[in-house]
Amino acid sequence: EVQLVESGGGLVQPGGSLRLSCAASGFTFSSYWMNWVRQAPGKGLEWVANIKQDGSEKYYVDSVKGRFTISRDNAKNSLYLQMNSLRAEDTAVYYCAREHSYGFAWGQGTLVTVSS
Amino acid sequence: DIVMTQSPDSLTVSLGERATINCKSSQSVLYSSNNKNYLAWYQQKPGQPPKLLIYWASSRESGVPDRFSGSGSGTDFTLTISSLQAEDVAVYYCQQYYSTPYTFGQGTKLEIK
Repeated sequence: EVQLVESGGGLVQPGGSLRLSCAASGFTFSSYWMNWVRQAPGKGLEWVANIKQDGSEKYYVDSVKGRFTISRDNAKNSLYLQMNSLRAEDTAVYYCAREHSYGFAWGQGTLVTVSS
Repeated sequence: DIVMTQSPDSLTVSLGERATINCKSSQSVLYSSNNKNYLAWYQQKPGQPPKLLIYWASSRESGVPDRFSGSGSGTDFTLTISSLQAEDVAVYYCQQYYSTPYTFGQGTKLEIK
């Protein structure tokens, strides 16, 4: 069974940094593209970034380019999202998601709140 | 970027009746090499992550009740719930995973009449 467990969320001040982690199990992590998707309180889903199996390709939504960095450690079956220069509008539940040609499998999410 | 537009924004349907949600993409999401539409439908209940219902526009995910079906190709897609059950109250999203940035529809809130 696919399991994705996010951690690292919390309260951070505007301009601050946070690193999210996602621990994967139940599948061969190194064989899949991995994604981060976020959802602001009461709002819809927004794709944030993804990374290729070997980490050689990364893509981002325009609103986080230059501020967020996605990375992975296949030896640890882990996905990361380094978030810098955080803004109030980055407040959201952040989901880790495994990508496949037949859609996404999702973790439970971790809440990031950017507020002074 | 591919823009995904769902209609309606909200829907109220009686138990046992049919519910239909539409999704339109601003560009085709049909991958010519395998003739698959890279369009998925998700169900999200309060406090839970999205759950995959349909992939490739019309393939039902394992374990999803057969009252859920998807149809369409190219730019126009439909999610149909043939006989609404109480547990189907949720927000439904379509998503294109044809090209990054992957994009979602704005969501359709489904309620019981």
